[in-house]
Amino acid sequence: AQKITQTQPGMFVQEKEAVTLDCTYDTSDQSYGLFWYKQPSSGEMIFLIYQGSYDEQNATEGRYSLNFQKARKSANLVISASQLGDSAMYFCAMREGGGGGADGLTFGKGTHLIIQP
Amino acid sequence: DAGVTQSPTHLIKTRGQQVTLRCSPKSGHDTVSWYQQALGQGPQFIFQYYEEEERQRGNFPDRFSGHQFPNYSSELNVNALLLGDSALYLCASSLSGLIEKDEQYFGPGTRLTVT
Repeated sequence: AQKITQTQPGMFVQEKEAVTLDCTYDTSDQSYGLFWYKQPSSGEMIFLIYQGSYDEQNATEGRYSLNFQKARKSANLVISASQLGDSAMYFCAMREGGGGGADGLTFGKGTHLIIQP
Repeated sequence: DAGVTQSPTHLIKTRGQQVTLRCSPKSGHDTVSWYQQALGQGPQFIFQYYEEEERQRGNFPDRFSGHQFPNYSSELNVNALLLGDSALYLCASSLSGLIEKDEQYFGPGTRLTVT
């Protein structure tokens, strides 16, 4: 079974609209972390936002917020007021275990987001 | 403040050959992770190095090996290259013991093509 599932291979969104990218995860660990990365065509993975499994509030970073629904094992990324520069691949990833930088990340297959003017 | 750097940017090798990729972590980071990203896929974790030792390994064969130097930089070696090894190889650095965000900073990657 896949540990990270991103069900939207591609999305087209009008500029200035809000967009939600879906991510569900599967783990039996109590302690884990969830990440979203942006990958432009240049290839570099850009960190966007992080949610720890014990965090009670949804994470926010500027225009990015993470809709964390622990019981449903869901960690959707919400981008408010989308911009043309938001066009890129978006990856959801998970770190299982206690963290402390000791664990590799498991990534989903990504969602290709295209913002239209 | 220098970010994660990788070299070379692009590389073309022939099946059966060996290749070495290099990574310098972000200033202040002591842990390096390597990922393989095939075209159209998400990155897959290869292994992680800390204190010059392999600390964790993903589901990759022994043809993939690595090394970390005292200055925390790292190399990824792939022996007996296969066509399926063609991918973008990403290096990520982090600071061991950083609990909160546990953020891994990625480099620009090395694009390996095996012919």
